[in-house]
Amino acid sequence: QQQVKQSPQSLIVQKGGISIINCAYENTAFDYFPWYQQFPGKGPALLIAIRPDVSEKKEGRFTISFNKSAKQFSLHIMDSQPGDSATYFCAASMYGNTGKLIFGQGTTLQVKP
Amino acid sequence: GAVVSQHPSRVICKSGTSVKIECRSLDFQATTMFWYRQFPKKSLMLMATSNEGSKATYEQGVEKDKFLINHASLTLSTLTVTSAHPEDSSFYICSARSGTSPYNEQFFGPGTRLTVL
Repeated sequence: QQQVKQSPQSLIVQKGGISIINCAYENTAFDYFPWYQQFPGKGPALLIAIRPDVSEKKEGRFTISFNKSAKQFSLHIMDSQPGDSATYFCAASMYGNTGKLIFGQGTTLQVKP
Repeated sequence: GAVVSQHPSRVICKSGTSVKIECRSLDFQATTMFWYRQFPKKSLMLMATSNEGSKATYEQGVEKDKFLINHASLTLSTLTVTSAHPEDSSFYICSARSGTSPYNEQFFGPGTRLTVL
């Protein structure tokens, strides 16, 4: 299965709160899991990415948690800010597949001031 | 960081005409470029993968004669939508990847909004 399932579809968080977005995959051959942020009318930009040999990666306010046995990974945005309001996509790719990315369905995050 | 540009950013055309969209990697050589299509409030759908100097590989269901892709140099790929119809109206996004490691980050362009009247 090539699908990556992402939830929730939309999320509203108060300023300063934690935003959590989850993704699940089936194909155990996936070995690269990036998260992208997209603002309306713009292309996606890489936020943070993880490989399955680690269970967590943190960059600033953004953290990826990875559960290899459950085939799930999640993005945590700490101290969420109104400027974080955007659509977030998880993705997965596998070595030797030209780097082709399989995207999740996307989560629209709104951070209320 | 690496920058990918797209031109034009918006295009409006009449039904039946062809439209060319350019994707350029400005400060790196892109061995592989990808073309995506995105409908409003939807995810990115990969259309095709192109490697410099070779024919593009199209995803299942994408008409190669409809969406012509040329990757003539390490910094330029073009997508031509031939005989465009209103159903081709969409947001088209390219991305570029350098090197041979599949873990190399893909850098996305800003997208091109195509409206076919």
